[in-house]
Amino acid sequence: DAMVIQNPRYQVTQFGKPVTLSCSQTLNHNVMYWYQQKSSQAPKLLFHYYDKDFNNEADTPDNFQSRRPNTSFCFLDIRSPGLGDAAMYLCATSRGSGGDRYNEQFFGPGTRLTVL
Amino acid sequence: DAKTTQPPSMDCAEGRAANLPCNHSTISGNEYVYWYRQIHSQGPQYIIHGLKNNETNEMASLIITEDRKSSTLILPHATLRDTAVYYCIVRGSGFQKLVFGTGTRLLVSP
Repeated sequence: DAMVIQNPRYQVTQFGKPVTLSCSQTLNHNVMYWYQQKSSQAPKLLFHYYDKDFNNEADTPDNFQSRRPNTSFCFLDIRSPGLGDAAMYLCATSRGSGGDRYNEQFFGPGTRLTVL
Repeated sequence: DAKTTQPPSMDCAEGRAANLPCNHSTISGNEYVYWYRQIHSQGPQYIIHGLKNNETNEMASLIITEDRKSSTLILPHATLRDTAVYYCIVRGSGFQKLVFGTGTRLLVSP
């Protein structure tokens, strides 16, 4: 089945130690998104790629970066994780970015990041 | 900021219809109403969306008032697996991000 895959599902890192989360998709979608969801809060968009074009949200900290080497893969890099970065990180994809049915977002299961 | 208001929680008996309301009084003419849900420890899942007309698919029905200032998501025969947080989101055409509000936590009980 076509899907959005996130690895690992659980990641533990140390304060200040760089960490990379990965996302892959078999949907061949043009757009890939990264969301942060802290405990008991709603998901919040960090950034997205439309093909190779990177779009950062204005309030996304510089500590967060992303790479998309090809259509299928997208990575979230946290350069120096702080305790406040502990959260679920969700990857999503969509065909395009318009508001119609064909551009619904498909989410992966998420990676839960713990910072010690 | 989210443009929608939803009750924080609702209960529903298994097999009964679950009617989840959403207020979006500042919605503009080209903005869609989207519904997603998030089952515990999973990513959000698209349910349905609409612009003006009522919509139905295999998961749910969406009723949008004539003035478009509110809508109701209907799960016709709720099951225990429908227990989740349901998010109502207003989103325009072109690229506009999904801004999740606080959602409604629906608990379906036997």
